[in-house]
Amino acid sequence: KAGVTQTPRYLIKTRGQQVTLSCSPISGHRSVSWYQQTPGQGLQFLFEYFSETQRNKGNFPGRFSGRQFSNSRSEMNVSTLELGDSALYLCASSLLDQGVAREQYFGPGTRLTVT
Amino acid sequence: QQQVKQSPQSLIVQKGGISIINCAYENTAFDYFPWYQQFPGKGPALLIAIRPDVSEKKEGRFTISFNKSAKQFSLHIMDSQPGDSATYFCAASQAGGTSYGKLTFGQGTILTVHP
Repeated sequence: KAGVTQTPRYLIKTRGQQVTLSCSPISGHRSVSWYQQTPGQGLQFLFEYFSETQRNKGNFPGRFSGRQFSNSRSEMNVSTLELGDSALYLCASSLLDQGVAREQYFGPGTRLTVT
Repeated sequence: QQQVKQSPQSLIVQKGGISIINCAYENTAFDYFPWYQQFPGKGPALLIAIRPDVSEKKEGRFTISFNKSAKQFSLHIMDSQPGDSATYFCAASQAGGTSYGKLTFGQGTILTVHP
């Protein structure tokens, strides 16, 4: 079974621009979560989607948004980029255990650099 | 109350030795505790996980010990190998409320195993 795939793997953007990152979950996984990883803050939860619905959102500004499609693929968008948005953005997919995303499998991430 | 505290930040072990990484949590609603291994340039990989109804779980050279009363859990890597050199993250999640399995991560431990 193919793992979680994320595209693009690397991105360089300028402050003020917007960016869209894509995630394809493991086949059969319908829950997709997004995390931001930085050296200073570590791994932080952004949001989780199941069945095209955002069920949970982390403590990030409204510039961070996402969506999920009917085939479970997900995208996240960051508008009006700031230097502090430079990070590794990770997508994780999961089967549900009684409605809860337990075993989460991560993709390789998208390295976003904002200049 | 959502924090997971991980120690040490870095660890150097000789080949064949035992690596021990510790985590502590405060939120008693947490009911799932995974460990992830991350190599440079890769996403975190699920290593092993435990639920609070057991005190220990072993998979190969990796063992999780769990102390519910102390709200602590630890990862033991037996017979550590140079290929185990990576960053290790503990995490915790809860099923209740609107969490849906959102992972709260520790800050990570950089493990170096010398040959």
